[in-house]
Amino acid sequence: LAKTTQPISMDSYEGQEVNITCSHNNIATNDYITWYQQFPSQGPRFIIQGYKTKVTNEVASLFIPADRKSSTLSLPRVSLSDTAVYYCLVPVGNTGFQKLVFGTGTRLLVSP
Amino acid sequence: NAGVTQTPKFRVLKTGQSMTLLCAQDMNHEYMYWYRQDPGMGLRLIHYSVGEGTTAKGEVPDGYNVSRLKKQNFLLGLESAAPSQTSVYFCASHPSQGASEQYFGPGTRLTVT
Repeated sequence: LAKTTQPISMDSYEGQEVNITCSHNNIATNDYITWYQQFPSQGPRFIIQGYKTKVTNEVASLFIPADRKSSTLSLPRVSLSDTAVYYCLVPVGNTGFQKLVFGTGTRLLVSP
Repeated sequence: NAGVTQTPKFRVLKTGQSMTLLCAQDMNHEYMYWYRQDPGMGLRLIHYSVGEGTTAKGEVPDGYNVSRLKKQNFLLGLESAAPSQTSVYFCASHPSQGASEQYFGPGTRLTVT
């Protein structure tokens, strides 16, 4: 079973900020949180990863509260090309073998 | 640098036929994985390998076999295809140290009639 829970779908408009929250109540001390993006007919693509507080890269920010039982992926000023499925994952294993358990993800639809 | 490639991109099999899917990576990664994705679902791990010459079962290994004779290649075999194996198959790789990102291939769409 997936270790995470996230909304099935979200709708937004171009130029808006989108926040997708994921809950991972049973996250272990050494687990980190990773988000992947998947377009139709393509393999998942890594977006961002974090362990605590805030992580920012060129495409997104990841906010993780102190208890680490949830995390929020923030996509600033989305465009139509951000329409995709977003997966929140808590992989077991960091530098070695990773067991990724995918849920159904959050289907984001960005409209004009 | 091609990353992770998969062959073939599409295939249609009849029930009972066999085939092999090839995954190749040119990043010198130790770990390789095979997943399947059914419509509207997340990916499920079939088999994985932690290095050349090693393989192990994932969540849904029944009906599949794998081999990792060379570090850069990970083969997924279906000995006797069944309609339940109709799916999109993704291969991924991951370095053994440091980075925790998995790199995915473009997928193979398999239909078993």
